[in-house]
Amino acid sequence: GAVVSQHPSRVICKSGTSVKIECRSLDFQATTMFWYRQFPKQSLMLMATSNEGSKATYEQGVEKDKFLINHASLTLSTLTVTSAHPEDSSFYICSSLARDYGYTFGSGTRLTVV
Amino acid sequence: DAKTTQPPSMDCAEGRAANLPCNHSTISGNEYVYWYRQIHSQGPQYIIHGLKNNETNEMASLIITEDRKSSTLILPHATLRDTAVYYCIVVNFGNEKLTFGTGTRLTIIP
Repeated sequence: GAVVSQHPSRVICKSGTSVKIECRSLDFQATTMFWYRQFPKQSLMLMATSNEGSKATYEQGVEKDKFLINHASLTLSTLTVTSAHPEDSSFYICSSLARDYGYTFGSGTRLTVV
Repeated sequence: DAKTTQPPSMDCAEGRAANLPCNHSTISGNEYVYWYRQIHSQGPQYIIHGLKNNETNEMASLIITEDRKSSTLILPHATLRDTAVYYCIVVNFGNEKLTFGTGTRLTIIP
């Protein structure tokens, strides 16, 4: 089946630094990657949709300059949280649509900003 | 995407069938019903999906009413590892975005 590999699984960073999260599609081409954020005891909230070779589309209220998305190839999309602050601490999850397998999710990244 | 309504929580005894309901009264004719579950601190796991007909796979069965306004996910023999939050999602592939509701927190009781 389709697999999306997400790294790192957890990261702790200092306030003001940037953190990059990678999602790779291992056995299919991910034309589109969806990025979600999940706060404790809440549901997944879509942040942005990245399309290979073009600019990402951000949901209302999500700062595009803070959450930089790059989708330069059909197998790799990255989310960079720039100048992270404690309120950015969350669980970040990527997802892609593989036509024969449906929506596949990464295992998530637990970001803690101290 | 159409909205879905699910009970916030349910309990089920281990070994019994878990029946999780979902209302999607505004579903359109070309929208699918997808079910995912999320175990704590993991990414969502695909369970099953359907359009009109009932579906069954190795994990679960999906019963969709004839008017498609509601569906039920059935886990036939629940185990402790089935404890998770279950999300019912209506998907319009033309839009492609998956919009998550609040889901049902299912607890399997020994």
